[in-house]
Amino acid sequence: DTGVSQDPRHKITKRGQNVTFRCDPISEHNRLYWYRQTLGQGPEFLTYFQNEAQLEKSRLLSDRFSAERPKGSFSTLEIQRTEQGDSAMYLCASSFGRTHTDTQYFGPGTRLTVL
Amino acid sequence: KQEVTQIPAALSVPEGENLVLNCSFTDSAIYNLQWFRQDPGKGLTSLLLIQSSQREQTSGRLNASLDKSSGRSTLYIAASQPGDSATYLCAFAGGNNDMRFGAGTRLTVKP
Repeated sequence: DTGVSQDPRHKITKRGQNVTFRCDPISEHNRLYWYRQTLGQGPEFLTYFQNEAQLEKSRLLSDRFSAERPKGSFSTLEIQRTEQGDSAMYLCASSFGRTHTDTQYFGPGTRLTVL
Repeated sequence: KQEVTQIPAALSVPEGENLVLNCSFTDSAIYNLQWFRQDPGKGLTSLLLIQSSQREQTSGRLNASLDKSSGRSTLYIAASQPGDSATYLCAFAGGNNDMRFGAGTRLTVKP
């Protein structure tokens, strides 16, 4: 499978725990995006990388959130001290090009439930 | 701040019917507009992408139009099938380095 993959697909955690998600983009895609989607809403932008550089972060990305993309390949999104409000689907997308206007290909998402 | 609005929020139609989903956006300086399909609990599948210089795109039974001046896009589905049941999302790439999504239209096609 050469699409965007995300791991895990589902994560259930207790409030206050830390969680980490992984995204493997389509190979050779230089841009990688993270979105958050809550029930009944469309995805909301969190952050994006151009190669290994994190170029923009949404105000939705509080200090408890951190994302990395070492070596410009896979990316991780970590949430520290999870809160019930963090429960959502976390989507990763990748694209090849210089701007956000290039077609983004989405992964299946990681569904996080914080108890 | 609501930048993308999709109407209706939910739609139920009998199989075989033609239908139109609506999307309106407030940012006139868009680069492109894209329609996605999302099945329950799954990621997004791109259906059609319309560049700002284009008026419409077609793929099979799907036709999407774009009117930048009025801030509207429509997705037309011909001869709907039960397999078309899903949530349809529109999103635009504008001046920010991201895509802005609507909340989607949940479509149910009854056999």
